[in-house]
Amino acid sequence: DQQVKQNSPSLSVQEGRISILNCDYTNSMFDYFLWYKKYPAEGPTFLISISSIKDKNEDGRFTVFLNKSAKHLSLHIVPSQPGDSAVYFCAAREVDSWGKLQFGAGTQVVVTP
Amino acid sequence: EAGVTQSPTHLIKTRGQQATLRCSPISGHTSVYWYQQALGLGLQFLLWYDEGEERNRGNFPPRFSGRQFPNYSSELNVNALELEDSALYLCASSLGPGAGQETQYFGPGTRLLVL
Repeated sequence: DQQVKQNSPSLSVQEGRISILNCDYTNSMFDYFLWYKKYPAEGPTFLISISSIKDKNEDGRFTVFLNKSAKHLSLHIVPSQPGDSAVYFCAAREVDSWGKLQFGAGTQVVVTP
Repeated sequence: EAGVTQSPTHLIKTRGQQATLRCSPISGHTSVYWYQQALGLGLQFLLWYDEGEERNRGNFPPRFSGRQFPNYSSELNVNALELEDSALYLCASSLGPGAGQETQYFGPGTRLLVL
């Protein structure tokens, strides 16, 4: 039962443009969400997180938006850079369930010149 | 500051054997997590250890087990290996539950191949 879904397996975007990655979830008990980036042969790298009490969190080029009523979050990367080419994972944690993150299947982002 | 380290980077075993994977957390982190990433799939939560105790477990059979040592490093043991255990095993660490900061930081992983 996949409770965190990333329905776009891949995304191609031009350098300098905005990348928008989407993530949907089905579990209303999720209260903390994270985005990770993963390069081949490396472990995931933490990017940004958001608590369910917020609807937006920004860190440099990365902004995460949370729409609780739609059970949807998105990651915006502006402007996209060649080094952003990687697999991006959305993850979520249930309230009072510290430690157990549930991950989506990932979205492969390719930033083209 | 050193990140999460894992050893070995690659491990080849045959069906029925046992595999032992090791993880050293970031200095100051007391929680260690193990995840499995099979080919083409997302990360699946395996185990969480904190202060030497198992705190949570994912939907994996008992032949997946582990422990955490007094220095907070951790070991994942997979007994009676099956072909479908072939995967990338990722370890992550974080501050403990009482710290209010639960971001998990990942190591590079151990790629296990079962023949």
